[in-house]
Amino acid sequence: KAGVTQTPRYLIKTRGQQVTLSCSPISGHRSVSWYQQTPGQGLQFLFEYFSETQRNKGNFPGRFSGRQFSNSRSEMNVSTLELGDSALYLCASSYLGGRDYGYTFGSGTRLTVV
Amino acid sequence: SQQGEEDPQALSIQEGENATMNCSYKTSINNLQWYRQNSGRGLVHLILIRSNEREKHSGRLRVTLDTSKKSSSLLITASRAADTASYFCATIFSGAGSYQLTFGKGTKLSVIP
Repeated sequence: KAGVTQTPRYLIKTRGQQVTLSCSPISGHRSVSWYQQTPGQGLQFLFEYFSETQRNKGNFPGRFSGRQFSNSRSEMNVSTLELGDSALYLCASSYLGGRDYGYTFGSGTRLTVV
Repeated sequence: SQQGEEDPQALSIQEGENATMNCSYKTSINNLQWYRQNSGRGLVHLILIRSNEREKHSGRLRVTLDTSKKSSSLLITASRAADTASYFCATIFSGAGSYQLTFGKGTKLSVIP
């Protein structure tokens, strides 16, 4: 069975631009979460979606947004990019959410803001 | 903010030895999970232990949970070079409707052949 697919794998953007990252979860998984990983802050939770509804949101500015489609695929968008947004962005899917099962992570999108 | 703290931050052992990593957290949890990450790639789920469980095994992995001390440990027995990776503990808060993982900073394990 296919894993969690994130596209693109690598991205270079300029300050002030916006970016959209995509995540296709494992078939049948309805929960999709996004995490940001940086050397300084480690792994930080961005948001979690379940059946197209945002259930949880992390402590990130409003420039970070996301959505989930009816087929459970998810996108996250970062507007007005800053140098500090350079990070590995990880998507994770789960059947119902992490309270009963672990998450399956994608390989991530490495975003570099210059 | 990071809830979990792993200890040690880095660990170097010889192949065949056992590796023990510890994790502490701050709030009441629904469950605690351990993940492995190789060289900045995606995380791989290793094991989930619920708040009402004390010990769990999976292959060469043994996880313990002490909710009174808010701590957990991951033991990898008979380590292999392929176990070289960063290991993270992550918790899910016990509050209703909480589904986010809160990660620690991780333990970097090096297994020397």
